[in-house]
Amino acid sequence: QSALTQPPSASGSPGQSVTISCTGTSSDIGGYNYVSWYLQHPGKAPKLMIYEVTKRPSGVPDRFSGSKSGNTASLTVSGLQAEDEADYYCISYAGSNNFVFGTGTKVTVL
Amino acid sequence: EVQLVESGGGLIQPGGSLRLSCAVSGFAVSSNYMSWVRQAPGKGLEWVSIIYSGGGTYYADSLKGRFTISRDTSKNTLFLQMNSLRAEDTAVYYCARVGVTTLSLGDWGQGTLVTVSS
Repeated sequence: QSALTQPPSASGSPGQSVTISCTGTSSDIGGYNYVSWYLQHPGKAPKLMIYEVTKRPSGVPDRFSGSKSGNTASLTVSGLQAEDEADYYCISYAGSNNFVFGTGTKVTVL
Repeated sequence: EVQLVESGGGLIQPGGSLRLSCAVSGFAVSSNYMSWVRQAPGKGLEWVSIIYSGGGTYYADSLKGRFTISRDTSKNTLFLQMNSLRAEDTAVYYCARVGVTTLSLGDWGQGTLVTVSS
């Protein structure tokens, strides 16, 4: 199972928006609505930000939103804040009791 | 309060074995799905294994046969037995709770570092 494809980096100024893509296949992202997104600060454990493509866990700001079109899922962070600077990962259920992570995107707040 | 605390990492020679533990409090391991995820130094996250509440176990294709996930419900602890370790298994290993209906990893431990080197 190949890793899902994410851009290595993305950036934006405070207050702006940034969108990160996560591209897979019809066997993973395209086949299931089990895409979730995680934020990871250096040296820390990942934190769940979006699940089931579009849903936010309680406590996650509504600046974070998710979507999916075909084999590509996206995470948008609106109103960028300094604390949003982190690595972001997507993961999708890939059928047959397998899961696959994305390659990760480093978001920089300029 | 939900807590997951990994232990058992360390330096191990190639070909050796190691068993990681994940002590859980705040919920029952037996009635949840649990996973192991690893992250090599400076690299991305990699899904390793899952154990379902019913006991079924599954692994990333690249790891089948070398790693075994299990749990001890009396100790509310998750384990990962790792055999025939290779340099490329060097990573921080995280345990995480997987949502039964969401299949998302909602709660994570702090991770334990495994270094495979001679």
